[in-house]
Amino acid sequence: ETGVTQSPTHLIKTRGQQVTLRCSSQSGHNTVSWYQQALGQGPQFIFQYYREEENGRGNFPPRFSGLQFPNYSSELNVNALELDDSALYLCASRIGASGRLGEQFFGPGTRLTVL
Amino acid sequence: QKEVEQDPGPLSVPEGAIVSLNCTYSNSAFQYFMWYRQYSRKGPELLMYTYSSGNKEDGRFTAQVDKSSKYISLFIRDSQPSDSATYLCAMSKPGGRYNQGGKLIFGQGTELSVKP
Repeated sequence: ETGVTQSPTHLIKTRGQQVTLRCSSQSGHNTVSWYQQALGQGPQFIFQYYREEENGRGNFPPRFSGLQFPNYSSELNVNALELDDSALYLCASRIGASGRLGEQFFGPGTRLTVL
Repeated sequence: QKEVEQDPGPLSVPEGAIVSLNCTYSNSAFQYFMWYRQYSRKGPELLMYTYSSGNKEDGRFTAQVDKSSKYISLFIRDSQPSDSATYLCAMSKPGGRYNQGGKLIFGQGTELSVKP
């Protein structure tokens, strides 16, 4: 069974640029969520995708957007990067059925640095 | 007030000690309670998952949930240096369109160091 994978591992951008991060969900998982983790903090929920639709969003501005593809992989796009966007971006996947909400598995993350 | 509170530590214990990690929460709608372990600069790893109240044991790890007190705990017996990591509690509630209740609310994380 393949776990959650993310790419790239590290990324350095400058303020105002745009970035795309990618995630492949664990085999059989059809729901993908994205989280932002600042240094020394717990992860913060950005949004969730199920059946290629966004169906839950945290307190993040519209310049954070995403996609889910038919194979359940996902992208996180961030426009107009700001210094505060520097963080570890985590993708988590699960089976989108009731009763399985606790079984969410995370990828290794993409560390984004904005200069 | 944050929905989930967790003492950030750091917590330092000698090898073999029993470790107790705790979180409190304010939202009584939470029904799923998780503990994740995160090594430095890595993604969180799911350790334990409990639905509603009660205890769950897995090897050296025991998770407890007390919904009446809105308090959850993770106990690590016979702690090892390899247990040194940040431990994150997380909670979720069901409901919403397409189970968007799967959103996890995390504590800040407790940094644990187990000294040989």
